[in-house]
Amino acid sequence: DAGVIQSPRHEVTEMGQEVTLRCKPISGHNSLFWYRQTMMRGLELLIYFNNNVPIDDSGMPEDRFSAKMPNASFSTLKIQPSEPRDSAVYFCASSPWRTTYNEQFFGPGTRLTVL
Amino acid sequence: DQQVKQNSPSLSVQEGRISILNCDYTNSMFDYFLWYKKYPAEGPTFLISISSIKDKNEDGRFTVFLNKSAKHLSLHIVPSQPGDSAVYFCAASGNQFYFGTGTSLTVIP
Repeated sequence: DAGVIQSPRHEVTEMGQEVTLRCKPISGHNSLFWYRQTMMRGLELLIYFNNNVPIDDSGMPEDRFSAKMPNASFSTLKIQPSEPRDSAVYFCASSPWRTTYNEQFFGPGTRLTVL
Repeated sequence: DQQVKQNSPSLSVQEGRISILNCDYTNSMFDYFLWYKKYPAEGPTFLISISSIKDKNEDGRFTVFLNKSAKHLSLHIVPSQPGDSAVYFCAASGNQFYFGTGTSLTVIP
């Protein structure tokens, strides 16, 4: 298996632009998670899905952030409009289990820089 | 509000010695804890976990200890190897799920 795939690996954009990050989970996994990593706050859970349904989006920082999972093999995290403070590494993870009690498998991350 | 804290941003240890990484939490509803390891330019990978009904879990060179009364857990690596040099994150799950900020471990050959 190729593991969790994220694209792009690096994204540089200007403030105010729309940014879309993409994730393909491991085939057969039921849960998908989006995280943001910063030096100050470490890894923050933004949102997670079970069977394509959003379960907990309490970590989504603002209305500028939205996430979708139209099917079991694809998810997007969108930031519109982007701001410099959104600069971070964004990780997607998937899991064959339904809860956060179990191991998650992480993608390589997308490094986002907003100028 | 940081509910899971790793107060040591970095740690250096000689090869062959013990590495001890610490993690504190504030939420008494957490009942499952995990450790992840992260190399540069890669995503975190799962290392070891422990349920709150236990106080110790061991897997090879890695042992996690849980002190519920102190709301503290630690990861012991014995013996430490240069390949263990990475950032280590603890995570806590229960009514919520949080990662800590990470501790960068350097094992000196």
